[in-house]
Amino acid sequence: AQSVSQHNHHVILSEAASLELGCNYSYGGTVNLFWYVQYPGQHLQLLLKYFSGDPLVKGIKGFEAEFIKSKFSFNLRKPSVQWSDTAEYFCAVNAGTYKYIFGTGTRLKVLA
Amino acid sequence: EAGVVQSPRYKIIEKKQPVAFWCNPISGHNTLYWYRQNLGQGPELLIRYENEEAVDDSQLPKDRFSAERLKGVDSTLKIQPAELGDSAVYLCASSLDYRGHYEQYFGPGTRLTVT
Repeated sequence: AQSVSQHNHHVILSEAASLELGCNYSYGGTVNLFWYVQYPGQHLQLLLKYFSGDPLVKGIKGFEAEFIKSKFSFNLRKPSVQWSDTAEYFCAVNAGTYKYIFGTGTRLKVLA
Repeated sequence: EAGVVQSPRYKIIEKKQPVAFWCNPISGHNTLYWYRQNLGQGPELLIRYENEEAVDDSQLPKDRFSAERLKGVDSTLKIQPAELGDSAVYLCASSLDYRGHYEQYFGPGTRLTVT
């Protein structure tokens, strides 16, 4: 069965620290990959997406993610986090069946 | 552009009672999704509509859950009767189509508490 794993459930960082959130999926075929973010009190919104082409994709608010096919990974990165990045981050995969599979999420807290 | 609208935002009911959630997707979006999000988990798909047709309802507990999307626009998700384990956030999302090349836009969700 297809699955998505997010290894870090809770992350606490100080402002200006670098961020990397892990995401691994299990599916051998073509995938579309997404990172969604949910800020406190707000609904899920798209950060970035990968369909094909350059495996390094850039999203909103300075976020980027790298698709490494050989590792079945799509890790999210940001060089310098801000207090306003405090949120929950979800990795999602759309593979073959057009069904979106979401990871369990990572709660990020950025200390001012 | 108006986003996905859901109502109610919160609902508290006793077990065995019925409950219904309503969703109005973004205008022009053919695909509509209902998800359930349990505490500490990611959203899990319950049902996907292409226009008015339910094309993926494999995760919908059909003994107590039902959904409809009349005229391919608004949608209603119903639970009857509700159980304690149904407490969760129910999310509606829409996209231009199902092929995954279009992002999903999520509504704010309905937080259901069953007591």
